[in-house]
Amino acid sequence: GQNIDQPTEMTATEGAIVQINCTYQTSGFNGLFWYQQHAGEAPTFLSYNVLDGLEEKGRFSSFLSRSKGYSYLLLKELQMKDSASYLCALRGYGGATNKLIFGTGTLLAVQP
Amino acid sequence: GAGVSQSPSNKVTEKGKDVELRCDPISGHTALYWYRQSLGQGLEFLIYFQGNSAPDKSGLPSDRFSAERTGGSVSTLTIQRTQQEDSAVYLCASSLDASGSSSYEQYFGPGTRLTVT
Repeated sequence: GQNIDQPTEMTATEGAIVQINCTYQTSGFNGLFWYQQHAGEAPTFLSYNVLDGLEEKGRFSSFLSRSKGYSYLLLKELQMKDSASYLCALRGYGGATNKLIFGTGTLLAVQP
Repeated sequence: GAGVSQSPSNKVTEKGKDVELRCDPISGHTALYWYRQSLGQGLEFLIYFQGNSAPDKSGLPSDRFSAERTGGSVSTLTIQRTQQEDSAVYLCASSLDASGSSSYEQYFGPGTRLTVT
């Protein structure tokens, strides 16, 4: 089976940098997604990591270490609109290549 | 173009009744997924369809849940004899071809909020 852990809640200040961690235990996976979900809205895609290392996309970056079972999402120059839940998800393996297994998400509150 | 749409947006039903939830995927997307999000919980995979292949039903929680996808497009998730624990937001997503190692992202619909009283 697969187990994905994220902190439940985090608070950060506008303009600052925040790192949201995701740790997992799994027998195998194809890649790791990060999604953003504002309250009452659908999740939207942020990033996808297949290989170890850092993927940068504007203010958002995502890192993956398969050997450590660890990923993080880094948000820079925080804005109030970044207040949302951030979901880590593993993409299936073998015959279930596109099934996503989600963590419970991290609720980020950005304060002025 | 239009994104993934779902209907109804909200559904309140009495325990024991059957409900049908509808999903219209993005045109051209061959893969379609259903997830469930309960209060305070992460998204839980239910079922996914890929083209004409047999669906992956491994996430359906009981035989009261079923889904079909007609003509490779619209999908309907049916919950029979609803129970209070079925109350959740049901999210549909679609993506381009899910086969192989493609990293096609899943585009989510706005969800259907189901409340079983």
